[in-house]
Amino acid sequence: GAVVSQHPSWVICKSGTSVKIECRSLDFQATTMFWYRQFPKQSLMLMATSNEGSKATYEQGVEKDKFLINHASLTLSTLTVTSAHPEDSSFYICSAILAGGLNEQFFGPGTRLTVL
Amino acid sequence: SQKIEQNSEALNIQEGKTATLTCNYTNYSPAYLQWYRQDPGRGPVFLLLIRENEKEKRKERLKVTFDTTLKQSLFHITASQPADSATYLCALGSSGGYQKVTFGIGTKLQVIP
Repeated sequence: GAVVSQHPSWVICKSGTSVKIECRSLDFQATTMFWYRQFPKQSLMLMATSNEGSKATYEQGVEKDKFLINHASLTLSTLTVTSAHPEDSSFYICSAILAGGLNEQFFGPGTRLTVL
Repeated sequence: SQKIEQNSEALNIQEGKTATLTCNYTNYSPAYLQWYRQDPGRGPVFLLLIRENEKEKRKERLKVTFDTTLKQSLFHITASQPADSATYLCALGSSGGYQKVTFGIGTKLQVIP
């Protein structure tokens, strides 16, 4: 149980285009999901907390107009990278928390974004 | 500012030995600490949680200690196996019902057959 999927697993896009990444909790409902970015040999950096039915809470330094988050249902959160640039190339990972658990986060497999 | 330190240098250990990984933190009073395993190109997988009022937690071959005076957690893998080779991340969480955590950079463990 507690499986989280992400789609796509990798994407290559041209500079200036927008990319949408989906995060789904497959066998549980997640009122809270998190979006992270991880650069090579660096730690997971929290970008935002996504709450079902409300606006996402962004971490300091993360542009909310560039990284659009929509958590429209209890099993789906989406991250849209708008007007992507090469410096946005990274590994994006989502996670979800199982209600009543140990606050452990169940992570998706990640999405490798490459912006040309 | 809050700081989490994990030895970012790789830890090489012989199969069958006990691997010990360290997580130190400063300017932080976490309510709990978690350990995750991350394989290359994959998302982390939760292993253990230990709360501030707990000294030690065990799960199969894994053991975690938490010393709030030293501001340190130790993560042990006994009878290590090549399949244990991965990067291990510690993550610190606060109280108050807010569930986000802050991750360390991780330590890469290599178990040599």
